Amino acid sequence: AQSVTQPDIHITVSEGASLELRCNYSYGATPYLFWYVQSPGQGLQLLLKYFSGDTLVQGIKGFEAEFKRSQSSFNLRKPSVHWSDAAEYFCAVISWGKLQFGAGTQVVVTP
Amino acid sequence: GAVVSQHPSRVICKSGTSVKIECRSLDFQATTMFWYRQFPKQSLMLMATSNEGSKATYEQGVEKDKFLINHASLTLSTLTVTSAHPEDSSFYICSARPGTGTTGELFFGEGSRLTVL
Repeated sequence: AQSVTQPDIHITVSEGASLELRCNYSYGATPYLFWYVQSPGQGLQLLLKYFSGDTLVQGIKGFEAEFKRSQSSFNLRKPSVHWSDAAEYFCAVISWGKLQFGAGTQVVVTP
Repeated sequence: GAVVSQHPSRVICKSGTSVKIECRSLDFQATTMFWYRQFPKQSLMLMATSNEGSKATYEQGVEKDKFLINHASLTLSTLTVTSAHPEDSSFYICSARPGTGTTGELFFGEGSRLTVL
């Protein structure tokens, strides 16, 4: 079955600095990939998704992600983080019609 | 985007009682809804797939008699935690996919935090 791995459990970044969150997938064909964000005690909000086509995907809140088949990766990036970007970020893949989540990466933003 | 609503957002109950959580798709129909459970500081674990008009499909290790799922209409799925115990305390999140496809975007509810005393 398809799965995703988020190698970084926790990342601390200064406000205004760039952010990159890693996600690796395991799947033979082109996967359907997603990035979600979850604020404490809240549900999930979709940041962006990749199904096919252009490998650089633009999302909401200034986020983007790049699908790299050669590296089996779908890393999330933001050029300049804001304090409000502090949250938990989940990479996910559709596997047999079900959405399977990575372990998540906690992002802490310092002043 | 499509909206999925969960109710209640927070519930506290005594051990041994049953609690029902509702998941509604407000502006679309969904033949399939999904129920996830999330422990503190952990990822979301898929519990079951709720299918309109038929029995839910449970993931391995999830007790179907403990977590009753009913998907009576194209806009409503319910999760009932029966005879709840403190270890059932968790954050439960539902999601729904518009239409009948299997690869489209999923929309998530706000989550329901269950605390069993």
